[in-house]
Amino acid sequence: QKEVEQDPGPLSVPEGAIVSLNCTYSNSAFQYFMWYRQYSRKGPELLMYTYSSGNKEDGRFTAQVDKSSKYISLFIRDSQPSDSATYLCAMSVGSNDYKLSFGAGTTVTVRA
Amino acid sequence: GAVVSQHPSRVICKSGTSVKIECRSLDFQATTMFWYRQFPKQSLMLMATSNEGSKATYEQGVEKDKFLINHASLTLSTLTVTSAHPEDSSFYICSAGSGGGDTQYFGPGTRLTVL
Repeated sequence: QKEVEQDPGPLSVPEGAIVSLNCTYSNSAFQYFMWYRQYSRKGPELLMYTYSSGNKEDGRFTAQVDKSSKYISLFIRDSQPSDSATYLCAMSVGSNDYKLSFGAGTTVTVRA
Repeated sequence: GAVVSQHPSRVICKSGTSVKIECRSLDFQATTMFWYRQFPKQSLMLMATSNEGSKATYEQGVEKDKFLINHASLTLSTLTVTSAHPEDSSFYICSAGSGGGDTQYFGPGTRLTVL
């Protein structure tokens, strides 16, 4: 079993829909949770960063962490074609070594 | 803030030559940098962890004599692919650790094509 599980999709939604992405993990020591967005042929871009359980909102993006269920989510409201990308979840134990464990990435297409 | 650059963005070389890729943290100091490889439609594969002033730590299966990593300063790490072959063609991405030891910021990547 992988340390971080993420459905690779692909996921296709119409413009304006809510995109829902999630990851599950097995290591209860993870404390820091991130979502990266990667456009084709580009490096990943840090989108959301959360610590411990709870919700964090930034514009159209909401990240949720449920440590009791070892489950994290990313929601994109009012999705736009420019949101079409691969979304990677990542997490770390925060042991000052910066090491991250990544999900496989979910490819999202928002249709105009 | 937390901008990481890579140079070159794209390189094409002949088989047997060596290629150097630079990774720079532009607005912060990075004691730890990472090098990843990514094949089409696949996730990131960590190749090595580079700490400033010390030898890099390579992941299992990555040839340290083929992928030379140097992290001579707090803002620069280099990856040299020695005697490159067509199977080394890939997308190479670096990242730099920032914050309290818990996250990474990525460069834009370098596409290497070996003919």
